[in-house]
Amino acid sequence: GQQLNQSPQSMFIQEGEDVSMNCTSSSIFNTWLWYKQDPGEGPVLLIALYKAGELTSNGRLTAQFGITRKDSFLNISASIPSDVGIYFCAGQLPNFGNEKLTFGTGTRLTIIP
Amino acid sequence: DSGVTQTPKHLITATGQRVTLRCSPRSGDLSVYWYQQSLDQGLQFLIQYYNGEERAKGNILERFSAQQFPDLHSELNLSSLELGDSALYFCASSEELAGYNEQFFGPGTRLTVL
Repeated sequence: GQQLNQSPQSMFIQEGEDVSMNCTSSSIFNTWLWYKQDPGEGPVLLIALYKAGELTSNGRLTAQFGITRKDSFLNISASIPSDVGIYFCAGQLPNFGNEKLTFGTGTRLTIIP
Repeated sequence: DSGVTQTPKHLITATGQRVTLRCSPRSGDLSVYWYQQSLDQGLQFLIQYYNGEERAKGNILERFSAQQFPDLHSELNLSSLELGDSALYFCASSEELAGYNEQFFGPGTRLTVL
């Protein structure tokens, strides 16, 4: 099945550092969503983006919907231990009649003590 | 807590068997989605129901089927199970179809086929 290109695949950072990850697609999306998944749990929605160029924040998280509608970025500022987990981007195509999400390959965030 | 519930949390069964996974959407959500997460394929869309009717199909095998009942809960039936069906199965729900379509995920069912 199709997956979006997400990078980096993994990140090892120290507490307090800022984090950036991105997602690219060959298709145009109407919606970009960012999720975080802890081991053995379901993905938790962090941020939703609905308009090209939109910049949205949720606490220390900031995400942007790319102008081309083919990419999105997520930044985490001043990372803390509970930020550890796998981050997924997800896109929704502009097809009425199918609201499925296409997911990225994930970015695994590890905080080095 | 997303408000989406799934049972059971874990399921261990043998090849050739049939299992049923259950999902209750968030209160008020009419749309239910099923996704499969495996190590090599990531999160993949299987099927979507809206208000009791099948709306879209993804990479769902013919051995798999689903339905959404009048009370909006959904069941995913997996039959003639194979080793490769071992995965996490997630249900998600959303309120609307078009426009703002935030999908909220349940905790998942981990299926192990031995």
